[in-house]
Amino acid sequence: QKEVEQNSGPLSVPEGAIASLNCTYSDRGSQSFFWYRQYSGKSPELIMSIYSNGDKEDGRFTAQLNKASQYVSLLIRDSQPSDSATYLCAVNPTGNQFYFGTGTSLTVIP
Amino acid sequence: GAGVSQSPSNKVTEKGKDVELRCDPISGHTALYWYRQSLGQGLEFLIYFQGNSAPDKSGLPSDRFSAERTGGSVSTLTIQRTQQEDSAVYLCASSLVSRYEQYFGPGTRLTVT
Repeated sequence: QKEVEQNSGPLSVPEGAIASLNCTYSDRGSQSFFWYRQYSGKSPELIMSIYSNGDKEDGRFTAQLNKASQYVSLLIRDSQPSDSATYLCAVNPTGNQFYFGTGTSLTVIP
Repeated sequence: GAGVSQSPSNKVTEKGKDVELRCDPISGHTALYWYRQSLGQGLEFLIYFQGNSAPDKSGLPSDRFSAERTGGSVSTLTIQRTQQEDSAVYLCASSLVSRYEQYFGPGTRLTVT
């Protein structure tokens, strides 16, 4: 079982719609959760971090964490073509290592 | 402020040669990570440095790989006797303290011919 699992997609949404990206993780003791955006040929860029159950909003982005279900999601409101990228979920269980999912490819259609 | 920098941005080397990849973290960040990303794959953890503590080398794929961090700042990842399967993008990230937000450098694309 992988530490972090994401649907690889591709996920396509029309411009202006809500994009919903999901991630599950295996270590119930995980403490820190992150979403990164990676454009083709570029390095990952941090979008959101979340440490507590519930929702965390930052502009058009909302991260949702449910530790009981071992589930973290990212919602992108009013999706723009510039949001088209691969989104990586990262989890820090315990200790030093971070585990990254393989990413979900998002395409926003104008 | 300045972000994480890495050099070189691209490196082409012949099989069997040694290569050194450099990472300069964000000033004041005590934690530094190296990852490898192969085409279409996720990020593979290689090694982690935190301050003056012994590094976590548990992700290094073979003894051909080594890394050091001098003065708690700049880090060098060395790959000896490179193999074609070493071809990947090598990413460095730093964070203020461990277990918190990591910020990535632009990466070094290594091609072994």
